Amino acid sequence: GQQVMQIPQYRHVQEGEDFTTYCNSSTTLSNIQWYKQRPGGHPVFLIQLVKSGEVKKQKRLTFQFGEAKKNSSLHITATQTTDVGTYFCAGPDSGGSNYKLTFGKGTLLTVNP
Amino acid sequence: EAQVTQNPRYLITVTGKKLTVTCSQNMNHEYMSWYRQDPGLGLRQIYYSMNVEVTDKGDVPEGYKVSRKEKRNFPLILESPSPNQTSLYFCASSTGVGYTFGSGTRLTVV
Repeated sequence: GQQVMQIPQYRHVQEGEDFTTYCNSSTTLSNIQWYKQRPGGHPVFLIQLVKSGEVKKQKRLTFQFGEAKKNSSLHITATQTTDVGTYFCAGPDSGGSNYKLTFGKGTLLTVNP
Repeated sequence: EAQVTQNPRYLITVTGKKLTVTCSQNMNHEYMSWYRQDPGLGLRQIYYSMNVEVTDKGDVPEGYKVSRKEKRNFPLILESPSPNQTSLYFCASSTGVGYTFGSGTRLTVV
């Protein structure tokens, strides 16, 4: 079946440092989604990317979808303690339907104030 | 307030005692799904539903049942729980772009 892999598994940064997490799929994706889960919380949808090479920004967060639509990245500029949490990418099944979504194992970000 | 509501939030039960975790959404979403989250394994999809009376297996459906008799409700049924079903469970719903997750149900089977 489809596999979605994320690296790194963990990342600890000093506040103000930049952070990037990478997501790779074993298959071409029709879209990719990103979620954030705060410690003790539930996943919260951040964004969906659909087009090859697409780049979207949300304040200090920059999301990118690869040209081949098999990889994606999330970059946070100048991390803050509020960025702490696990960041997941997720991709739909081969049919492209978002009801069957496979999640990566996530990257846990901790920020030292 | 738009939300996905799961109950109970915490549950400790014994092996073999049937249980149901309820899930309800008030956003008129077509898609609903159940995930379990385990350390080191991430979020794994148990079952999903594309609409009323339409359900299908996810990646880890063994030991679980679901039903979708109404659009708003998607209960998760464990007919005979076992200790390996101890986990954090999330219900989620969507119109097709991004799932909205419930707050989770932490289940312990002893």
